[in-house]
Amino acid sequence: QSALTQPASVSGSPGQSITISCTGTSSDVGSYNLVSWYQQHPGKAPKLMIYEGSKRPSGVSNRFSGSKSGNTASLTISGLQAEDEADYYCCSYAGSSNVVFGGGTKLTVL
Amino acid sequence: EVQLVQSGAEVKKPGESLKISCKGSGYSFTSYWIGWVRQMPGKGLEWMGIIYPGDSDTRYSPSFQGQVTISADKSISTAYLQWSSLKASDTAMYYCARVPLTGPPNWFDPWGQGTLVTVSS
Repeated sequence: QSALTQPASVSGSPGQSITISCTGTSSDVGSYNLVSWYQQHPGKAPKLMIYEGSKRPSGVSNRFSGSKSGNTASLTISGLQAEDEADYYCCSYAGSSNVVFGGGTKLTVL
Repeated sequence: EVQLVQSGAEVKKPGESLKISCKGSGYSFTSYWIGWVRQMPGKGLEWMGIIYPGDSDTRYSPSFQGQVTISADKSISTAYLQWSSLKASDTAMYYCARVPLTGPPNWFDPWGQGTLVTVSS
């Protein structure tokens, strides 16, 4: 299966909101509400931020939210903070026990 | 605290074999899948496969089927990723992560710290 499509980079100023898109197909994102999002700081392991489309794990700020429309899932970060600068990856179940990641998006906080 | 601790960095030559490990603690090891994810230098995340340590049921990404072997030893709460003949293109960071058993595998949490594998002649 092909990787999900994410913008290579997004940027925003402190306090602003940004949205990262994740486009798949009717075989993955469009068929299941099973999209997760990960934050990865340089040199660190990824961290789960959103699962099953819009659920936040314990300890993750409510500034992070997830949604989906058709074949596209989105991660929105409100009230941007300097510490949010990182790479973000989406991930979707793709049927038959397969999982597919997005190519990643570099978030820059200006 | 739920933790996955991976084995240390490895430097190998092309053609050599390798087995890296991922030890779980702080939870029932047989109540979750363990997944493996590759990250090549400067690149994104790629799902390799998952294993259920309870009975070693293993599912591979089509991209990695036949290229690696995933196994587990539930008696010591450890999962493994192994290669029989490494290539330079296997140079990457490899992460393990816990995957919930309920429903289809679709999210990974927590992640191990990663094992850097370098393959060079």
